[in-house]
Amino acid sequence: QQQVKQSPQSLIVQKGGISIINCAYENTAFDYFPWYQQFPGKGPALLIAIRPDVSEKKEGRFTISFNKSAKQFSLHIMDSQPGDSATYFCAASDNQGGKLIFGQGTELSVKP
Amino acid sequence: NAGVMQNPRHLVRRRGQEARLRCSPMKGHSHVYWYRQLPEEGLKFMVYLQKENIIDESGMPKERFSAEFPKEGPSILRIQQVVRGDSAAYFCASSPGSPLLNTEAFFGQGTRLTVV
Repeated sequence: QQQVKQSPQSLIVQKGGISIINCAYENTAFDYFPWYQQFPGKGPALLIAIRPDVSEKKEGRFTISFNKSAKQFSLHIMDSQPGDSATYFCAASDNQGGKLIFGQGTELSVKP
Repeated sequence: NAGVMQNPRHLVRRRGQEARLRCSPMKGHSHVYWYRQLPEEGLKFMVYLQKENIIDESGMPKERFSAEFPKEGPSILRIQQVVRGDSAAYFCASSPGSPLLNTEAFFGQGTRLTVV
């Protein structure tokens, strides 16, 4: 019940295209859903986060869509660029213990 | 304002030795979290500490692993009698306040431990 399932494991997108990464969870106590970007040899960096009281949040080219009834959320990267090539992790927290439960990660490659 | 500082960045230990990983949180942050990342996997929570207190250690292996965050100085993750399966990247994150406030956790660059 503590798992967060992420798909796809890897994704190849052409420059200018839309990258979509999906995550699903079971624990209804989760109420904070961040997305992290990680480049090789670096630590994860927060991209964007959402709470379940909204269905969508947009920051620049990055959008989170959240479906509370389906217990799913997704990251959309519009106008994908080669510089977006990285590993993306979704995560969830129930805010009672501070810890984040991470998905397995998606390796995104944006081809020029 | 320097970010979360972890050292060493790379650590090589022989089987049976001890590994000590250090994490200095961002200035003003009193909450520290340790995560482990195995190759090709996501990050797994290990332990959550505040100054001088362990708040949640539900992700820590029962043996050989310990963590502390003293009143002065960095947080330390200690692995005794390392085995090859301990080889991983260990990340520290810090946040300024209570997780109840959903305050963002900032991650360090990680320590890559290799056990030979």
